[in-house]
Amino acid sequence: RKEVEQDPGPFNVPEGATVAFNCTYSNSASQSFFWYRQDCRKEPKLLMSVYSSGNEDGRFTAQLNRASQYISLLIRDSKLSDSATYLCVVIQMDTGRRALTFGSGTRLQVQP
Amino acid sequence: DVKVTQSSRYLVKRTGEKVFLECVQDMDHENMFWYRQDPGLGLRLIYFSYDVKMKEKGDIPEGYSVSREKKERFSLILESASTNQTSMYLCASSLERGGYEQFFGPGTRLTVL
Repeated sequence: RKEVEQDPGPFNVPEGATVAFNCTYSNSASQSFFWYRQDCRKEPKLLMSVYSSGNEDGRFTAQLNRASQYISLLIRDSKLSDSATYLCVVIQMDTGRRALTFGSGTRLQVQP
Repeated sequence: DVKVTQSSRYLVKRTGEKVFLECVQDMDHENMFWYRQDPGLGLRLIYFSYDVKMKEKGDIPEGYSVSREKKERFSLILESASTNQTSMYLCASSLERGGYEQFFGPGTRLTVL
């Protein structure tokens, strides 16, 4: 089983729609959680952190459910420019070092 | 703005060749990383370095080595390229050890024939 799992998609949604992605992680000792965004043929960039209390940044909301070991990303009022792959990132202590583990990403395509 | 640059955007090599991928960052970051990204597998950590002349193995170090002679430069070396090393290679740097915000270079698409 992969340490971090995401539905690869693609999620095809119309402009203005609300869309949500989940990401599950297998290591209960995981400490910190983030979402990165990767545009087509570009490098990944940090989108936002995920806190236990939830985190909202404009149209984007990230949430963590430790009991069920998943994080989520909700995008409201989707824009064409939101089309990208969204990578879930988990940080955990691994043999004495903090290691970032990336999910394989969920592709979002927002259509006009 | 942090800038991470990689020496080549596209590279084609033959099986058995020694391949050097160069990465340079201009923000005086201590920490540098090499990943490969493959469809369905996500980013996998090959090697990382927390200081000059220091290196540590990541999750998939076999067939690779690294060199960090200067703080700003981190090189990935494929000692004898094989076809299963065809991939997108991404370099990253971060300010803090284990820091969650990593700044990535544009990537090198390596094809081994």
